[in-house]
Amino acid sequence: GENVEQHPSTLSVQEGDSAVIKCTYSDSASNYFPWYKQELGKRPQLIIDIRSNVGEKKDQRIAVTLNKTAKHFSLHITETQPEDSAVYFCAALPSGNQFYFGTGTSLTVIP
Amino acid sequence: NAGVTQTPKFRILKIGQSMTLQCAQDMNHNYMYWYRQDPGMGLKLIYYSVGAGITDKGEVPNGYNVSRSTTEDFPLRLELAAPSQTSVYFCATAGGTDTQYFGPGTRLTVL
Repeated sequence: GENVEQHPSTLSVQEGDSAVIKCTYSDSASNYFPWYKQELGKRPQLIIDIRSNVGEKKDQRIAVTLNKTAKHFSLHITETQPEDSAVYFCAALPSGNQFYFGTGTSLTVIP
Repeated sequence: NAGVTQTPKFRILKIGQSMTLQCAQDMNHNYMYWYRQDPGMGLKLIYYSVGAGITDKGEVPNGYNVSRSTTEDFPLRLELAAPSQTSVYFCATAGGTDTQYFGPGTRLTVL
């Protein structure tokens, strides 16, 4: 099956700085890559996603890039704010119906 | 619309007991999923369903069973609970093979 690796596991940034989280995947058939944000004690919520026919997608301070050749995709958060502090998960969807998740990145934004 | 609901929110079981975690959705989604999330870890797929009457195993199905008799409901059954099943359980739905919407979770402790 698909294998998704996520780095770093923890990340601390000063408020206003940028944060980057990277994920790699193994199955070249994967064609959909969502990112989820999970606040403490809450459910994961989709923040942005990208499909394999697109190289980059942006939504205000959040962007995702995809490199299909290298099989990696990254989440970029600019101008970080304290409310961005949470655990972020990447996922990949190969052909079929099963999502495979990374192990998560705990982001702390220091005011 | 309630979206995705899960009951109970919390439960403590003794080793060897059984229980059913309930998941219901009013989004008319065909795809439904059960995940478990262990502390500090990502989401692992237990079972999923692509429609009423159809279920399939995910990465970690042992010790669990599911049924899908209606589009709306996707209960997860634990037989002979073990401490290794202590986790937070999330149900999720999707309209197709893309964006997933998660329920609020059930926190289960097996003592």
